[in-house]
Amino acid sequence: AQKITQTQPGMFVQEKEAVTLDCTYDTSDPSYGLFWYKQPSSGEMIFLIYQGSYDQQNATEGRYSLNFQKARKSANLVISASQLGDSAMYFCAMREPYNQGGKLIFGQGTELSVKP
Amino acid sequence: EPEVTQTPSHQVTQMGQEVILRCVPISNHLYFYWYRQILGQKVEFLVSFYNNEISEKSEIFDDQFSVERPDGSNFTLKIRSTKLEDSAMYFCASSGQTIGEQYFGPGTRLTVT
Repeated sequence: AQKITQTQPGMFVQEKEAVTLDCTYDTSDPSYGLFWYKQPSSGEMIFLIYQGSYDQQNATEGRYSLNFQKARKSANLVISASQLGDSAMYFCAMREPYNQGGKLIFGQGTELSVKP
Repeated sequence: EPEVTQTPSHQVTQMGQEVILRCVPISNHLYFYWYRQILGQKVEFLVSFYNNEISEKSEIFDDQFSVERPDGSNFTLKIRSTKLEDSAMYFCASSGQTIGEQYFGPGTRLTVT
């Protein structure tokens, strides 16, 4: 069965510093996708970044990058130059192949607090 | 920029009542999903919908739940007889052919009293 694990319930980071949020996954499918979402206190789920299992390069989107280590089955999110507005819950998710429905399986989340 | 919309944003209902949660996915998307998030917990998959039929449903999605795509734009989740434990945030999501996307709506917070 597919599984996503986020082992850090809460993280603190100083404003302007970088922070890494951990995510490990388990699947026997060779084709999968990995997502990170941000959930601020208002509740919406904001898509941040995506990494496909066959992508050779690590994904980057502005201040977000995904440290994809396939052999270790990890997909850590790196946020550079943290801002106060980055304080939120962060969820890692794995997408099944579309021919299996394409649903997302979520981790438990990490609550990030950015200190001024 | 296209977005997934959901109505209502908050619904309060009494136990045993029927509720319909509505979603308008992104217009050219083909795959539709409902997820729920009980307060303080992770997001859980409920059901996926493709080509006008359910493609997968979770154990949570029992006989009291149903989904419909009554026209070309709306995607609804119906809970026939709500229970206290149905209180949660319900998210609709949609995906297109582009492999690396699944966009969520803002959610409907359902409170069952």
